[in-house]
Amino acid sequence: QITLKESGPTLVKPTQTLTLTCTLSGFSLSTRGVGVGWIRQSPGKALEWLAFIYWDDDKRYSPSLKRRLTITKDTSKNQVVLTMTNMDPVDTATYYCAHSIEDYNNRPNYFDYWGRGTLVTVSS
Amino acid sequence: DVVMTQSPLSLPVTLGQPASISCRSSQSLVYSDGNIYVNWFQQRPGQSPRRLIYKVSNRDSGVPERFSGSGSGTDFTLKISRVEAEDVGVYYCMQGTHWPLTFGGGTKVEIK
Repeated sequence: QITLKESGPTLVKPTQTLTLTCTLSGFSLSTRGVGVGWIRQSPGKALEWLAFIYWDDDKRYSPSLKRRLTITKDTSKNQVVLTMTNMDPVDTATYYCAHSIEDYNNRPNYFDYWGRGTLVTVSS
Repeated sequence: DVVMTQSPLSLPVTLGQPASISCRSSQSLVYSDGNIYVNWFQQRPGQSPRRLIYKVSNRDSGVPERFSGSGSGTDFTLKISRVEAEDVGVYYCMQGTHWPLTFGGGTKVEIK
């Protein structure tokens, strides 16, 4: 059974760095074809994709946030970590991680499993 | 970036009646392998998103048959053949053909 669970601080101050962890269960990021993405949702707003990491450590970032984001994986702990620097109140959102798996064409079928999300508030 | 434009923003529907949500992309979503990587997600109130449809028209496991996806090129549609009370929520389209991945703005389905 595939599950993902996000964890991290619920409150961060402006200019601080946010570190979120996605703990994976039922699958491994060392398995060929697997990927994990981060998506956020500001209160009452639409989904926004942030970053993606493949099983082979290839990484992709949202261009608008690229300079602030870093995504890494720790296969020994079965975790994916997202860091976002220079946090601002507009970054207040629920942050989700989600699973992807490549199909027969070696293209990801994105986000078939999602975590419950973690709400991060940015305030002084 | 590919812009995904959904309509309508809000969709009041009578129970048992059909519903249709449109999603248009700002450029073609046909990938070099000939596939189109458009997904549809349902987000019920207070819940995480749930994928319903992948690659335009493939229903995920456990998704009721009343949900169907169609489309080509730049125009895509999610249809609910007969709306049930549990279908209330916000629906999002997403394209996975081009980087960066982008979502539509969402369509809120509610019962009249």
